[in-house]
Amino acid sequence: QSALTQPASVSGSPGQSITISCTGTSSDIGDYNFVSWYQQHPGRAPKVLIFDVSIRPSGVSNRFSGSKSANTASLAISGLQAEDEADYHCCSRSSTSTRYVCGTGTMVTVL
Amino acid sequence: QVQLVESGGGVVQPGRSLRLSCAASGFTFSTYAMHWVRQAPGKGLEWVTVISADGSVEYYADSVKGRFTISRDNSKTTLYLQMNTLRPEDTAVYYCARGWEMAFDMWGQGTMVTVSS
Repeated sequence: QSALTQPASVSGSPGQSITISCTGTSSDIGDYNFVSWYQQHPGRAPKVLIFDVSIRPSGVSNRFSGSKSANTASLAISGLQAEDEADYHCCSRSSTSTRYVCGTGTMVTVL
Repeated sequence: QVQLVESGGGVVQPGRSLRLSCAASGFTFSTYAMHWVRQAPGKGLEWVTVISADGSVEYYADSVKGRFTISRDNSKTTLYLQMNTLRPEDTAVYYCARGWEMAFDMWGQGTMVTVSS
């Protein structure tokens, strides 16, 4: 089971919007609406931002939004802030014997 | 508050074993599935294994199947990961995470495992 593919890095200026893609296959993202996204600051544990493709847990800013089309999921961050500078990871339920697969990770830089 | 605290990491030689623990508090441990997720240095997350709330069902990533065993003691609110026949590619920070809605909603701070001769 290969990891989901994410861009290594994405950058944007404060106030701008950016989108991070997460590309899988018909055995994971394309087969389930169970994509989740996590934010991870350096040296810290991941924090869930989105689950079930587009649902934000209580307490997560509405500047974060998720979507999916076919085998690709996306995380959009609007009104980019300095505190958004972090690594972002996607994960998906998989129909293979490895029941969950995660992405290669994306570093977001706020210019 | 909800807290997950991992322990047991360290440096171990290839082929040896190690057991990780994850002490849970602040929630009803026995009602949640629990996962181990690892992160190799500078890499993305890799899901390792999950155990059901009552401990009756386990699933493993192909990369660790037959070498790692997940278990839990609900009376002690503790999750375990027995890792045997360790390989250099198992070097990573190991996180325990609470399962929720096919996602991982709470994470521990992680424990580092280094497999090296």
